Amino acid sequence: DAGVIQSPRHEVTEMGQEVTLRCKPISGHNSLFWYRQTMMRGLELLIYFNNNVPIDDSGMPEDRFSAKMPNASFSTLKIQPSEPRDSAVYFCASSFYEMPQHFGDGTRLSIL
Amino acid sequence: GIQVEQSPPDLILQEGANSTLRCNFSDSVNNLQWFHQNPWGQLINLFYIPSGTKQNGRLSATTVATERYSLLYISSSQTTDSGVYFCAVSTGGGNKLTFGTGTQLKVEL
Repeated sequence: DAGVIQSPRHEVTEMGQEVTLRCKPISGHNSLFWYRQTMMRGLELLIYFNNNVPIDDSGMPEDRFSAKMPNASFSTLKIQPSEPRDSAVYFCASSFYEMPQHFGDGTRLSIL
Repeated sequence: GIQVEQSPPDLILQEGANSTLRCNFSDSVNNLQWFHQNPWGQLINLFYIPSGTKQNGRLSATTVATERYSLLYISSSQTTDSGVYFCAVSTGGGNKLTFGTGTQLKVEL
């Protein structure tokens, strides 16, 4: 079975550019989560969706960050404009209700 | 919010040794997961264990929910066990995971 699929795996861009990260959750899962991992803050939740609806975005650091889930099989996380401090590994995870979360391989983002 | 503390922060083992990693949490939980982050950065599910004991090969885990801690046991460690082990919990609704700071494990030959 396919796991959570994220793209791209690596992204290097210059500050000020728009960045779009993509996620395809596991088929049948109804909850989707975006996490960010940095050395300073560890792994932290940014936003999560239930049945394609954003439920809690309190972890989104600034208005420069936005996330959408137009359907059950796709989500995006956008940063516009990007800044060097946004450099991190971004993980997407999915679950069926409160069952175990399964993580994608992450997107390693570097903002120059 | 809930606090998650892991110990030890770092651990070096000789191949074949056993170890116990601990996760303490500050509130009742409805989800607890153990993950292994391998050297390539992938987060691998090890256990979903909000309570009780589970075993999977050389790994086992126990969560004592009433005392708010979980233990991960690694027996006969191998170099491929190296990486960071994370405990993550959720409390209340929504399955939002709060991660501990991890235990960095290195297994040497």
